[in-house]
Amino acid sequence: GENVEQHPSTLSVQEGDSAVIKCTYSDSASNYFPWYKQELGKRPQLIIDIRSNVGEKKDQRIAVTLNKTAKHFSLHITETQPEDSAVYFCAATDSASKIIFGSGTRLSIRP
Amino acid sequence: NAGVMQNPRHLVRRRGQEARLRCSPMKGHSHVYWYRQLPEEGLKFMVYLQKENIIDESGMPKERFSAEFPKEGPSILRIQQVVRGDSAAYFCASSSGLATDTQYFGPGTRLTVL
Repeated sequence: GENVEQHPSTLSVQEGDSAVIKCTYSDSASNYFPWYKQELGKRPQLIIDIRSNVGEKKDQRIAVTLNKTAKHFSLHITETQPEDSAVYFCAATDSASKIIFGSGTRLSIRP
Repeated sequence: NAGVMQNPRHLVRRRGQEARLRCSPMKGHSHVYWYRQLPEEGLKFMVYLQKENIIDESGMPKERFSAEFPKEGPSILRIQQVVRGDSAAYFCASSSGLATDTQYFGPGTRLTVL
């Protein structure tokens, strides 16, 4: 089945700098890659997703890139702000259409 | 998404009791997924259901756990004879069912086993 690996597990960046989180997946049939943000005690919230027919998608300060050949995808957050502090999960669909999550990245924004 | 409802939000059980967690999907969604999140860990897939059908239960423990999504009413995740290791946040998500369709999460049920 699908296996999703996510790095780094923790990330601390200065406010205003960029943050990059990287994920790899194993199932070449995967075709949907969402990213979720989870604040402490809250539910995971979808922040951006990308489908396999595109290589990049951007939404304001957030962008995601996908390399299907290499089976990796990345989340980029620019001009980070304190409210970006949270745990971020990447995910990929497997061939059975269920979503498999990475282990999460705890992002801290230093003032 | 506020449209996915879960109750109760917090549930306390003693070892050996039963826990029933409910999930009502977003309006128009017929697919429900259950995930378990242990403290400081990621989301682990448990089961994927459509109305009256279990599509994939590969993440469900073989014993004590069961799930259903009846024709009428919410999806229910049932844990029999709970143990301390069952303490976790249980999230459900719903989608319209396409493989590339977004899953929206409910607020979760935090189960504590004493």
